[in-house]
Amino acid sequence: SYELTQPPSVSVSPGQTARITCSGDALPKKYAYWYQQKSGQAPVLVIYEDSKRPSGIPERFSGSSSGTMATLTISGAQVEDEADYYCYSTDSSGNHSGVFGGGTKLTVL
Amino acid sequence: EVQLLESGGGLVQPGGSLRLSCAASGFTFSNYAMSWVRQAPGKGLEWVSAFSGRGGSTYYADSVKGRFTISRDNSKNTLYLQMNSLRAEDTAIYYCAKEQQLVRDFYFDYWGQGTLVTVSS
Repeated sequence: SYELTQPPSVSVSPGQTARITCSGDALPKKYAYWYQQKSGQAPVLVIYEDSKRPSGIPERFSGSSSGTMATLTISGAQVEDEADYYCYSTDSSGNHSGVFGGGTKLTVL
Repeated sequence: EVQLLESGGGLVQPGGSLRLSCAASGFTFSNYAMSWVRQAPGKGLEWVSAFSGRGGSTYYADSVKGRFTISRDNSKNTLYLQMNSLRAEDTAIYYCAKEQQLVRDFYFDYWGQGTLVTVSS
């Protein structure tokens, strides 16, 4: 089955740039999406179609994708950005099947 | 404003059944595919099942195929998940999510707050 691989944790100080990666064999052909999930809350879409930002998401959130790796970048991370981040994509089999990465715990302190 | 409200979770014994509901509002429900996504305690997200907007097609993760059935009632703006032969590993928060479908992808733009299903004797 298709898998997306993320680092379990990333830690930065406030104001620094946080980068979270997501690797998957189908990413050259499929978009990557990123979800933020704060403790006890439902996930929130922060990046769609590799690099687009939904309305209401701060400009410090950006996304990129090259080859088999997608990256979520938080420029000038804030304490309130501390959360779990999940990448998401669909597999390339043609089936309607969604896959999440294992999640990355971002610590900002 | 899009709202998704799940209900129907609870404690059930292994082998038992449960039906989840998701009441939708704030958008034209029949125009959109909908999914269920779950999250086991302390674990990551797992896509479970989807129902297309108009075509009536259904899709399942291998982990639930043959045990879970997704359905929808467009007249009631409600999505359902019938869960049978439940196992301990089905214990999770179950989220209802609205899909955005592209030519080559689909993703979730809105999520409910989830309903907790606990499978235990």
